[in-house]
Parts: sequence; structure tokens; C-alpha cells
Amino acid sequence: DADVTQTPRNRITKTGKRIMLECSQTKGHDRMYWYRQDPGLGLRLIYYSFDVKDINKGEISDGYSVSRQAQAKFSLSLESAIPNQTALYFCATSDPRGTGGTDTQYFGPGTRLTVL
Amino acid sequence: GESVGLHLPTLSVQEGDNSIINCAYSNSASDYFIWYKQESGKGPQFIIDIRSNMDKRQGQRVTVLLNKTVKHLSLQIAATQPGDSAVYFCAENTSMDSNYQLIWGAGTKLIIKP
Repeated sequence: DADVTQTPRNRITKTGKRIMLECSQTKGHDRMYWYRQDPGLGLRLIYYSFDVKDINKGEISDGYSVSRQAQAKFSLSLESAIPNQTALYFCATSDPRGTGGTDTQYFGPGTRLTVL
Repeated sequence: GESVGLHLPTLSVQEGDNSIINCAYSNSASDYFIWYKQESGKGPQFIIDIRSNMDKRQGQRVTVLLNKTVKHLSLQIAATQPGDSAVYFCAENTSMDSNYQLIWGAGTKLIIKP
């Protein structure tokens, strides 16, 4: 089984709809992240969470919200989807405690979201 | 190494040749560097990492070189194969930063010519 899973893998929705993307991990990591990737571009951080009680905005948090329901679960919501939120969304996890202070991130397979 | 707003540079390499992918980083305090590989339709996958107390680290068919003087990182892939076709991202991290966040580079698309 994959260590980091994302659901759904693909989603097509309409402008104004509320959408939730879910991420689950079995790695036991405290840190979880949501990234957005547009075609031909790199990764941009939306939100991140260092533990269940911690939520932080990334560089492009406007129009998004998150919920850290448990150590293993981190959800991303688009309250009112708009077409320029059409992108590939990745969840990632990390845990620097066991790696000498480094922050290697492990990624899920991604969710392809299309907003019409 | 800002990724926002930049389109991916592309490197075309003949199958069997060595590939060298370069990355410039901006934070002189960064002390940990990672290379990721992202194949089409998949999430980024960890390839190799290096700490700032090293200049070179080798893995299986891959070597990472770090030049702290000019803040430059490179990934060398020996005997490039079709399966190496992907986008390669470098990322940097500063252990002095209590948040341990990664800073991502723009990525380079590697194309293998038959």
C-alpha cells in the first residue's frame, strides 16, 4: 500500500462549488503539506501543518483552507472553486526528528482538479 | 531558487550519455539539499540528498555535487536511460530554521533522445 494517498485522483467541478481534497498517510509523520503545481511550473506551497494543532499558510493560501483531523489526515478545501484553481494538487509528509534535522518530503500521487 | 512564475528549462540528452542538471540556490545558510524526480502524472520522488559538510555524494547512477562558494548544486545521471525522462527539482533546507521548510527550485525537464 502507498504511504501517502490522495482522494480523489481526478475531479471536475464547476465554478462556485465547494471541493475537498483528502490526504492520508501511514508513515507516522507529524508534518504534512499541500502543494499546487500548474503545467510546466514548479511546486507552490498552499498550507502546511507541523502537528495536529498547527496550521500555517504557505505562499498561495488565498482561496484555500485546510483541516488537520488527525496525525494521519490533512484535507484541503476550496470553498468556492474558480477556474484558475485548475491544477495538480500534491500532498506531502515529512518528519525531521528521525533524519537529523533534515526535511525530506514524501509525496502522494496527486489530485488533478479541473474547475469549469 | 524560486519556482513561482518560471517555466521549466529543458535538457535534451542522447540515450546512453551522461546528464548534468544544474541548480542555483539563494540562501547561503542552507545546509541540506535534495534532488527530486517527477515523472509525468506522478508525485515528486526523492532521489538523493547531500549535507553542506560534503562536496559530493554518489548513489546508484546518480551523483550530486555541491559548490557552496558559488551556491550551486548539480545532479549527474550516468548512462541516461529512457526511464530517466522526468522533471528534476532541487530543494534546499536550513537546519537553523526551526520550521525546517524546504525551498524548491524551478525544476528542469530532462528529455531522452533515442
